[in-house]
Amino acid sequence: AQRVTQPEKLLSVFKGAPVELKCNYSYSGSPELFWYVQYSRQRLQLLLRHISRESIKGFTADLNKGETSFHLKKPFAQEEDSAMYYCALSTGRRALTFGSGTRLQVQP
Amino acid sequence: DAGVIQSPRHEVTEMGQEVTLRCKPISGHNSLFWYRQTMMRGLELLIYFNNNVPIDDSGMPEDRFSAKMPNASFSTLKIQPSEPRDSAVYFCASSLRGTGETQYFGPGTRLLVL
Repeated sequence: AQRVTQPEKLLSVFKGAPVELKCNYSYSGSPELFWYVQYSRQRLQLLLRHISRESIKGFTADLNKGETSFHLKKPFAQEEDSAMYYCALSTGRRALTFGSGTRLQVQP
Repeated sequence: DAGVIQSPRHEVTEMGQEVTLRCKPISGHNSLFWYRQTMMRGLELLIYFNNNVPIDDSGMPEDRFSAKMPNASFSTLKIQPSEPRDSAVYFCASSLRGTGETQYFGPGTRLLVL
């Protein structure tokens, strides 16, 4: 069965510090991985997906099949990055499986 | 486009009552998803439709839950009878084509069953 693990419920950093939100998945095939973000009082929205290999709002994520990870990184956190971040896995056959989410708090 | 529209935004009901949640996907999207979010279990897929046909309903908790999509622009999620443990935020999402595409989420319906 497919599973997504986000080990940290809360990550608190200071503005300007690097950020890494961890995501590990379990799936034997070729997954599609996503990061979704939910800002306060806003809808859950896509932040980035691994197949596009792009940087959104300074965030990047690299799929590491050997470690079955898809960690989200940003070199310098901003206060507006404070939000709930969800890692999600799609296998095609089944719709998105979400991790439990990590709340990122960026302090001034 | 207003995005995915859900109604009602908030619902308070008593145990045993029927609850109907509604969703209008983005026009032109052919996949629709219903999710439930709770503190204990996080965000879980309940069911998803492709071209109005249910494809995967393995996340539907029990027979008290049912979902329909009578046409491409409307879906309902019904709980009958409702129980306090059904209290959660229910999200609807749609995508252009299937599960690998970006999903666009509605604002959610916050349900409280007393």
